[in-house]
Amino acid sequence: GQQLNQSPQSMFIQEGEDVSMNCTSSSIFNTWLWYKQDPGEGPVLLIALYKAGELTSNGRLTAQFGITRKDSFLNISASIPSDVGIYFCAGQGSNFGNEKLTFGTGTRLTIIP
Amino acid sequence: NAGVTQTPKFRVLKTGQSMTLLCAQDMNHEYMYWYRQDPGMGLRLIHYSVGEGTTAKGEVPDGYNVSRLKKQNFLLGLESAAPSQTSVYFCASTTRRTGRMNTEAFFGQGTRLTVV
Repeated sequence: GQQLNQSPQSMFIQEGEDVSMNCTSSSIFNTWLWYKQDPGEGPVLLIALYKAGELTSNGRLTAQFGITRKDSFLNISASIPSDVGIYFCAGQGSNFGNEKLTFGTGTRLTIIP
Repeated sequence: NAGVTQTPKFRVLKTGQSMTLLCAQDMNHEYMYWYRQDPGMGLRLIHYSVGEGTTAKGEVPDGYNVSRLKKQNFLLGLESAAPSQTSVYFCASTTRRTGRMNTEAFFGQGTRLTVV
């Protein structure tokens, strides 16, 4: 089955640093979603992108839907301790009525004291 | 609002035993999904349903069965559990709207299953 290539797999940063992660796919998607998962919890939606080239912000988070529709980026500015967790991208196929969501393998973010 | 509720939250099974995981949502969502999450593998789709009475296979359906007899419930069954099915299972649901499709999936808290 298809999975998205998400990178990096893990990041170790200091508080206050900016963070960038991305996802790429061999298939075109018409929706990209970014989720964050805390330990012992289910993923929670951060940002949804519906249009190629779209740039959307949610507080310190900014995500972009790649022009090729095969990639997406998530940036976190001025990281804080509560940003720690696993971040997942998810893409939805371009066939009308196909609501299947395919997830990336995740980026684990750790903040070094 | 309860959102998406999964039961049980934890379970230990012996190899060969069967069990059913229940997912319930109170948001009147049309679509429901079962994923499994393993270290380094992200979330992999097992089965999904686009409406009451319909189900479809995802990426890793072998060893699992599902049923959607009621719109609000999506059941995941393991007929004969194997150690390879040790994982954390997540249920999710989404709605479908006219115009721009809303595919924001809401997740349950997860079920941690260990097969020994």
